[in-house]
Amino acid sequence: KQEVTQIPAALSVPEGENLVLNCSFTDSAIYNLQWFRQDPGKGLTSLLLIQSSQREQTSGRLNASLDKSSGRSTLYIAASQPGDSATYLCAVRSNDYKLSFGAGTTVTVRA
Amino acid sequence: EAGVVQSPRYKIIEKKQPVAFWCNPISGHNTLYWYLQNLGQGPELLIRYENEEAVDDSQLPKDRFSAERLKGVDSTLKIQPAELGDSAVYLCASSITPNTEAFFGQGTRLTVV
Repeated sequence: KQEVTQIPAALSVPEGENLVLNCSFTDSAIYNLQWFRQDPGKGLTSLLLIQSSQREQTSGRLNASLDKSSGRSTLYIAASQPGDSATYLCAVRSNDYKLSFGAGTTVTVRA
Repeated sequence: EAGVVQSPRYKIIEKKQPVAFWCNPISGHNTLYWYLQNLGQGPELLIRYENEEAVDDSQLPKDRFSAERLKGVDSTLKIQPAELGDSAVYLCASSITPNTEAFFGQGTRLTVV
């Protein structure tokens, strides 16, 4: 069974600082990995999808890296803003297409 | 383009009562998922459909939960009877195929009292 871990569970940074969010998974036989954002009381918003053959994927201020062999992905958010405050979830899609989630990292960006 | 639509957004019921949630996926998305999310945790898969076929329902508590996806479009998730421990957010998601980007609805927050 795929286990997905996100550490730390919570993070608080001043505005303008770069954010580094970590995701680790136990089974490296993955199809792809997806990062989501969740605002309080809302559903999940897809941020980035990175295929198992890719090393990184970029969208605006967001950059996700993937090291499949070591079972790690990192989401970088440059020049954080108060609007980036949310919970960020990592989801790993195994080769059987099952999408397994971590518990998330709750980010607070202080103005 | 409309996203994944779920209804209702909120539901409060007494224990032992039945409840149903509805999901309309993004047009053209063949794969549909139902997830359960408890407070402070990541979503957990209940069931995945490919068109109208349930291809992964191993985590669905079949004694009280049921789901259907008639005609391979809309889907309904039912709980009967509801228990206090069923209080959670129920999320629906869809994707074009099972290995492509998944998009989520706003969820239904269920409170069982």
